[in-house]
Amino acid sequence: SQQGEEDPQALSIQEGENATMNCSYKTSINNLQWYRQNSGRGLVHLILIRSNEREKHSGRLRVTLDTSKKSSSLLITASRAADTASYFCATDEPGYSTLTFGKGTMLLVSP
Amino acid sequence: DAGVIQSPRHEVTEMGQEVTLRCKPISGHDYLFWYRQTMMRGLELLIYFNNNVPIDDSGMPEDRFSAKMPNASFSTLKIQPSEPRDSAVYFCASSPGLVQETQYFGPGTRLLVL
Repeated sequence: SQQGEEDPQALSIQEGENATMNCSYKTSINNLQWYRQNSGRGLVHLILIRSNEREKHSGRLRVTLDTSKKSSSLLITASRAADTASYFCATDEPGYSTLTFGKGTMLLVSP
Repeated sequence: DAGVIQSPRHEVTEMGQEVTLRCKPISGHDYLFWYRQTMMRGLELLIYFNNNVPIDDSGMPEDRFSAKMPNASFSTLKIQPSEPRDSAVYFCASSPGLVQETQYFGPGTRLLVL
């Protein structure tokens, strides 16, 4: 089973700035999901993008998917201190029945 | 719905002791997943159930780990005997469907084996 890899491992920005995180994977996928994990908490689903979609929006979140490059990006616009968390991508592959999570990007948004 | 409930939230035990982690999934969800999270290995799937039946336990690290789901509203993950390398955060998640569905995670159990 493959594992998505997030980049960068850590990101530190100021409130109001945009944050961009990337996820790369190795083989074909059906869908890709992004999750957020606040310190000491479980993961929370943010957004799902299907392999036939190129871009998706949800509030201040924008996700893109480039299947030719096997990569996805998560953009958080006008970041807030409350966005401080780890962000994970999760992929599924045809033929596998479960998600595989990357190791995440730690985002720190300073006031 | 209260979401996925896990207990205990924290567990400190000594090497060799038995540890039992508990999970109550969201009502109506057919799938239940147990994960382990460490800094070194990230989030690893240990086992998952469909309609109370274990489907894939290939992620269970060794025979010291066992999981059960006696009914749709309760699952346990047991480690016996526990070892220091089992120290991690253990998450339970549930889902109404499988891969294409959102997984809903519990708050986790932070386990420390001394």
